Amino acid sequence: AQSVAQPEDQVNVAEGNPLTVKCTYSVSGNPYLFWYVQYPNRGLQFLLKYITGDNLVKGSYGFEAEFNKSQTSFHLKKPSALVSDSALYFCAVRDIRKGNTGKLIFGQGTTLQVKP
Amino acid sequence: NAGVTQTPKFQVLKTGQSMTLQCAQDMNHEYMSWYRQDPGMGLRLIHYSVGAGITDQGEVPNGYNVSRSTTEDFPLRLLSAAPSQTSVYFCASSIGTGFTDTQYFGPGTRLTVL
Repeated sequence: AQSVAQPEDQVNVAEGNPLTVKCTYSVSGNPYLFWYVQYPNRGLQFLLKYITGDNLVKGSYGFEAEFNKSQTSFHLKKPSALVSDSALYFCAVRDIRKGNTGKLIFGQGTTLQVKP
Repeated sequence: NAGVTQTPKFQVLKTGQSMTLQCAQDMNHEYMSWYRQDPGMGLRLIHYSVGAGITDQGEVPNGYNVSRSTTEDFPLRLLSAAPSQTSVYFCASSIGTGFTDTQYFGPGTRLTVL
């Protein structure tokens, strides 16, 4: 089965500290992984994606994600958190079963709270 | 580019009423889809379209209809609203259905069914 898990409902971090939002996945075949951010009362904004190649993917707003095949993880990271990073973060994997439906399988979401 | 736009932003319906959620994109994307977002469940695919005139069901299609008469528009119809359809609805589009294609989301429609 294809699935994504975000084990933490909420992550709290102080401004200026590094942050990590965790994501693990289960897929049959190659994983195509995505991170999105949702600010309050807004739609989802694309941050970055992993397709193949370098395990460290750089994205928007200073975010990066580390792909680890052996641990089936795709954790989102940022070296120095900003209060404005406070939002809901979703990890997603492309569902490649049944051909190209374009479907994304989303995790439950992790709320990031950055405190001044 | 406006990207993906959705109207209305908010809607309150009574049980049994019908309505259409509008979605449009100006990026000439072939693929469009509708998701619903419920607390603790992430987003779930309702319907999708791989091009004008072609639609198919996602994982939670019951109670919803779609059509795709143009590349730009992909409306979602609720035929007879039920309280279980209270949710936030997102439209998304991508250039194609390639596994690596990035999907871009609209701002969402928050629907309440009383």
